[in-house]
Amino acid sequence: KAGVTQTPRYLIKTRGQQVTLSCSPISGHRSVSWYQQTPGQGLQFLFEYFSETQRNKGNFPGRFSGRQFSNSRSEMNVSTLELGDSALYLCASSPQGVNTEAFFGQGTRLTVV
Amino acid sequence: AQTVTQSQPEMSVQEAETVTLSCTYDTSESDYYLFWYKQPPSRQMILVIRQEAYKQQNATENRFSVNFQKAAKSFSLKISDSQLGDAAMYFCAYRSGTSGGGADGLTFGKGTHLIIQP
Repeated sequence: KAGVTQTPRYLIKTRGQQVTLSCSPISGHRSVSWYQQTPGQGLQFLFEYFSETQRNKGNFPGRFSGRQFSNSRSEMNVSTLELGDSALYLCASSPQGVNTEAFFGQGTRLTVV
Repeated sequence: AQTVTQSQPEMSVQEAETVTLSCTYDTSESDYYLFWYKQPPSRQMILVIRQEAYKQQNATENRFSVNFQKAAKSFSLKISDSQLGDAAMYFCAYRSGTSGGGADGLTFGKGTHLIIQP
């Protein structure tokens, strides 16, 4: 079974631009969550989607948004990029529910210049 | 809000020895899940072990075991017979068991960098 796939793996954007990251979960998994990892703040929860609905949201500004499609694939979008948005963005998928572990993708490394 | 604390930024152990990584957490909830994740240089997070708070028995996965002390809110990871491939960042994580998934997803500690000396 294929794992969680995130595209692209690396991205360089300019301040003020917007970016869209993609995540394809493990087949059969209905829950997708996103995390931001930076050296200073560590791993922080962005949001979680289940059956196309945002179920939970972390403490991030409205510039960070996401969505989930009917095939469970998810995208996250960051508008008006700031230098501080440079990070590794990790996507994780779960079959469903809170009592199942999350399987992570390899991440997208975003650099804002 | 829940918090997870890993007090050891870095640990070093000789190959084949045993090492214990510490984790404490703070929560007012009674239903939750705890995890240890490993992040090697490839940056992909790999689940090492999980523990349900309602289970008194400590989880074990091959060379990996936990010491779960619910009253003390402590969740340490023991790695026996350390191998070179165990070198990585290790993250302790908490997830609420509240229906709806928990408002904060997974809450992670800052991580412990584990070095294996050959």
